[in-house]
Amino acid sequence: EAGVTQFPSHSVIEKGQTVTLRCDPISGHDNLYWYRRVMGKEIKFLLHFVKESKQDESGMPNNRFLAERTGGTYSTLKVQPAELEDSGVYFCASSRRDFTDTQYFGPGTRLTVL
Amino acid sequence: AQKVTQAQTEISVVEKEDVTLDCVYETRDTTYYLFWYKQPPSGELVFLIRRNSFDEQNEISGRYSWNFQKSTSSFNFTITASQVVDSAVYFCALSWAGSYQLTFGKGTKLSVIP
Repeated sequence: EAGVTQFPSHSVIEKGQTVTLRCDPISGHDNLYWYRRVMGKEIKFLLHFVKESKQDESGMPNNRFLAERTGGTYSTLKVQPAELEDSGVYFCASSRRDFTDTQYFGPGTRLTVL
Repeated sequence: AQKVTQAQTEISVVEKEDVTLDCVYETRDTTYYLFWYKQPPSGELVFLIRRNSFDEQNEISGRYSWNFQKSTSSFNFTITASQVVDSAVYFCALSWAGSYQLTFGKGTKLSVIP
């Protein structure tokens, strides 16, 4: 069974540009999550999808971040326009159905905003 | 409020030594879940273990063991006879009943020196 995949693995952009991160969850997993780790700090929750619906966006930092999950499969996280403080590692995770199910993480996308 | 504290930022040990990674958590919920994840140099977060708040039995898996103590709100992780492949950042995390969010500690970077 393939794990969670993320693309790209690294992205370097300039302040003001737009970047789109992609996540492909484990097949059959209804839940998809985005987390972010800013250097030296904790990994923080951003949002949670159940199938194609946003269940919880409480961790999204501001309206420059837009997440979508097309047809309940892969998800994209767009940052527009990017700011310096958006730099960090963006992790995607997926889990089967219930909140008791384990979340499995992808390798992350390292975003650097110059 | 939920909080996870990993007081050890970095630990270095010589191969074959035993090492314990500390994790202290705070939660008001009576039903909660504790996790350990490993992040090797390749970057992905690898799930190691999940414990629920009603199961205080210690767990052993090969060279890995976990000590869950509700009295001290701790969920410590011990690696016996450490190996170079154990070098990674280890994260402790917490979730609570009904919530899909994971709250992470800042992580402990373990370096095992040959």
